[in-house]
Amino acid sequence: DVKVTQSSRYLVKRTGEKVFLECVQDMDHENMFWYRQDPGLGLRLIYFSYDVKMKEKGDIPEGYSVSREKKERFSLILESASTNQTSMYLCASNLLGATDTQYFGPGTRLTVL
Amino acid sequence: AQSVTQLDSQVPVFEEAPVELRCNYSSSVSVYLFWYVQYPNQGLQLLLKYLSGSTLVKGINGFEAEFNKSQTSFHLRKPSVHISDTAEYFCAVIPNSGYSTLTFGKGTMLLVSP
Repeated sequence: DVKVTQSSRYLVKRTGEKVFLECVQDMDHENMFWYRQDPGLGLRLIYFSYDVKMKEKGDIPEGYSVSREKKERFSLILESASTNQTSMYLCASNLLGATDTQYFGPGTRLTVL
Repeated sequence: AQSVTQLDSQVPVFEEAPVELRCNYSSSVSVYLFWYVQYPNQGLQLLLKYLSGSTLVKGINGFEAEFNKSQTSFHLRKPSVHISDTAEYFCAVIPNSGYSTLTFGKGTMLLVSP
């Protein structure tokens, strides 16, 4: 079974703090994704990566950066957290290909005070 | 660019009743279509997908969906729902050529009551 794990289920941070969200997958997938999920807005893609050290902007990259130093690990970084970044963050991975199922982690619910 | 419209944000039904969750998409190119389900406090998991061939696709937990190219729809159906089907359901599309990423709809919350 594919497993995608995220470092925290719940996280509370203060405005201005630097926040790291970690995601690890165990199936040697090439692609990894970070989404943000908000009520009534569905899932929106923040960044994705198709290989180590490669990254591409998604639909809403502003205020975020990412890092992929190893194939299995994809980190989302909030350089200076703001209250409008309070949200559920979902990580996913899949093999290289449009037909390939994305496998999701359980999510991290981030609250920025 | 692609877009996905899930017309209903919430669908309340009684247990053992049939249900249809609607999904329409817009795209200038041919697409692959997916339905994902998110149970409470969990990530998303694949319910079913249409890649090619028969337009009626069967998925897990008794769900099925029908691809209608002329109406650009991919509605999800189940003939008899259970309490355990209470979840949020997301329709998604991706172009079938080139390099792109999934575009998700805003989700439909299915609420099954006894």
